[in-house]
Amino acid sequence: QQPVQSPQAVILREGEDAVINCSSSKALYSVHWYRQKHGEAPIFLMILLKGGEQKGHDKISASFNEKKQQSSLYLTASQLSYSGTYFCGTEAYSGAGSYQLTFGKGTKLSVIP
Amino acid sequence: DAGVIQSPRHEVTEMGQEVTLRCKPISGHNSLFWYRQTMMRGLELLIYFNNNVPIDDSGMPEDRFSAKMPNASFSTLKIQPSEPRDSAVYFCASSFWGPGQPQHFGDGTRLSIL
Repeated sequence: QQPVQSPQAVILREGEDAVINCSSSKALYSVHWYRQKHGEAPIFLMILLKGGEQKGHDKISASFNEKKQQSSLYLTASQLSYSGTYFCGTEAYSGAGSYQLTFGKGTKLSVIP
Repeated sequence: DAGVIQSPRHEVTEMGQEVTLRCKPISGHNSLFWYRQTMMRGLELLIYFNNNVPIDDSGMPEDRFSAKMPNASFSTLKIQPSEPRDSAVYFCASSFWGPGQPQHFGDGTRLSIL
């Protein structure tokens, strides 16, 4: 089942902050975050594991609430280079020892000067 | 290090023709994934392999689609016969096997079926 992302789109001015949310109805092992620029491949940003700590690098960080099966991606002091579509991928046990990653529909982030 | 390599980058062909997309995963990775991306449906998993063995092909839309992984460094996704609704960007990704492993995507193949 596909995770739900919100908002679907957001427009920011340089320097502003944004939060992107991702929620699932399944019991999750991990949440992955990717960014995709137009015409390019999705690029891995970070993984949050069940029982793990909040992660981040530079001004992008994320958290994972295991009880609610929700994750949030935080972008602070946004830069023009942050523009793109952000996807969360939720990883859950799919049986026979396997885990499957399912992507949300994405959040389009536009940073303007 | 070389990333995931896909070919061709673009393919335009007529309805009914056979289409073959190719993927070379990152060396050492033992899981390989094929995705299809469209505006309407987003990023959909079609099939994935562990150690060259297909594990889950429940995302393959119909029998016209088939995928193979004859060895650890090569996989193909074939559509025969192709239809206009197959037009999409097809991505291949690879990772180490197991939960909590990031997937690394190729640049994709933009497929247009006329």
